Amino acid sequence: EPEVTQTPSHQVTQMGQEVILRCVPISNHLYFYWYRQILGQKVEFLVSFYNNEISEKSEIFDDQFSVERPDGSNFTLKIRSTKLEDSAMYFCASTGTGGEGEQFFGPGTRLTVL
Amino acid sequence: QKEVEQNSGPLSVPEGAIASLNCTYSDRVSQSFFWYRQYSGKSPELIMSIYSNGDKEDGRFTAQLNKASQYVSLLIRDSQPSDSATYLCAVLKNTGNQFYFGTGTSLTVIP
Repeated sequence: EPEVTQTPSHQVTQMGQEVILRCVPISNHLYFYWYRQILGQKVEFLVSFYNNEISEKSEIFDDQFSVERPDGSNFTLKIRSTKLEDSAMYFCASTGTGGEGEQFFGPGTRLTVL
Repeated sequence: QKEVEQNSGPLSVPEGAIASLNCTYSDRVSQSFFWYRQYSGKSPELIMSIYSNGDKEDGRFTAQLNKASQYVSLLIRDSQPSDSATYLCAVLKNTGNQFYFGTGTSLTVIP
C-alpha cells in the first residue's frame, strides 16, 4: 500500500542552524501539507502546497519557514535559524483529491533544537 | 473559541465495551470531518471520514455527524486493548484545505 515517507526520523540541531526536512508524498497525490506537533499538544497546520506553490499557510509559517518541491517526488520543509521552540514532531501529509479529502500522514521527523 | 474541541480524557473502558468519543466544532460552514488514531510517538492514522449528517459504519467503528449541533462522534464497538491510543478529531472548512485538529481524547481499553 502506498505511503508517505519522511527523512530523517530524528534531527538534532543547534539553535540558529538551518534544517531541511524531507518528505516523499504518495506518488499520485496532488496536495501536500506540513503539520507540526509540539510534545503533548495538538497537531497544528503549517502550510499546504499545490501545483508548485503555497495554497494556504498558517500564522506559524512565517519567514523562517519555506517549502519546496525540488523534483517530481520530494517535498521539503526548510527551517532557517532554528529556535528552541521549533522542537516538535513535523508531519508531512498528502491527499489525492481536490484538497478536500482524506489526508495521509507520514511517520514524522522529530526535530530537537539544542 | 477553539476551532475543534474534544474531551481530553482519559477515557477508560473494559475490553469488549463500546467507547464513545465526542468532538464539537465552532465553524458552521465546516464540511468534512475525520477521525484519526495516534499512538504515542507515532503519526496520525486515518480511521474514518464523514461528510453528511447521520451515521457511517466501517467495521467496529461508527462515525456520527450532526451539523445542526456542530457535533461529530466516534463509537468503537467491541473495544480491544490495541484500540488504546489518542483519537484526534479533524475538521476541514470549505474555505481552505487545512485540517483543524482537536487536542485528542486518550482512550485506554482495560483487558
